[in-house]
Amino acid sequence: DGGITQSPKYLFRKEGQNVTLSCEQNLNHDAMYWYRQDPGQGLRLIYYSQIVNDFQKGDIAEGYSVSREKKESFPLTVTSAQKNPTAFYLCASSIGWGRHTEAFFGQGTRLTVV
Amino acid sequence: DAKTTQPNSMESNEEEPVHLPCNHSTISGTDYIHWYRQLPSQGPEYVIHGLTSNVNNRMASLAIAEDRKSSTLILHRATLRDAAVYYCIPNNYGQNFVFGPGTRLSVLP
Repeated sequence: DGGITQSPKYLFRKEGQNVTLSCEQNLNHDAMYWYRQDPGQGLRLIYYSQIVNDFQKGDIAEGYSVSREKKESFPLTVTSAQKNPTAFYLCASSIGWGRHTEAFFGQGTRLTVV
Repeated sequence: DAKTTQPNSMESNEEEPVHLPCNHSTISGTDYIHWYRQLPSQGPEYVIHGLTSNVNNRMASLAIAEDRKSSTLILHRATLRDAAVYYCIPNNYGQNFVFGPGTRLSVLP
């Protein structure tokens, strides 16, 4: 089955540690995205990538980093510089980057930093 | 980006139709109107999108006002599985999706 997979579903880390969230898609999509969601809020864009080896900052990129070395993979690293890292993180992909584009989302990773 | 206004929450009885409104008065002429929904503890899923004409698919119908300043997502017979947060998102080429707080739909048995 084609889809987008995020792992792990739940992640716990100590304050001050970097942590990497995985996102893999087998839909052959060019564009991939990372969002953050806080309780009761909408989604906020962290980073996006329109094509392999290229990515752009979203609205709240500070304290995060990404890479896009392969078309199917777009890992997100939450660094120790992120002040409030505890949140629900969602990865998405789409065929391209345009107005007809339907985005497909993973099931999310719930990160808790203690 | 076009600004949207949606009710914070709505309630419906099971098996009744639900009309979820969205105001997007600053929408541009080339913005498509997308609707997504998010079930509890899951990622959002695509529901429907359209430009000017009303659209139907297996999940829902989208009614777009003639002036395009508002749209309504119609669930013809609400089920308990339709309880979710519904997002209305105007989107144009070269823009990313902007997810506001959406409308939380509760479905009562």
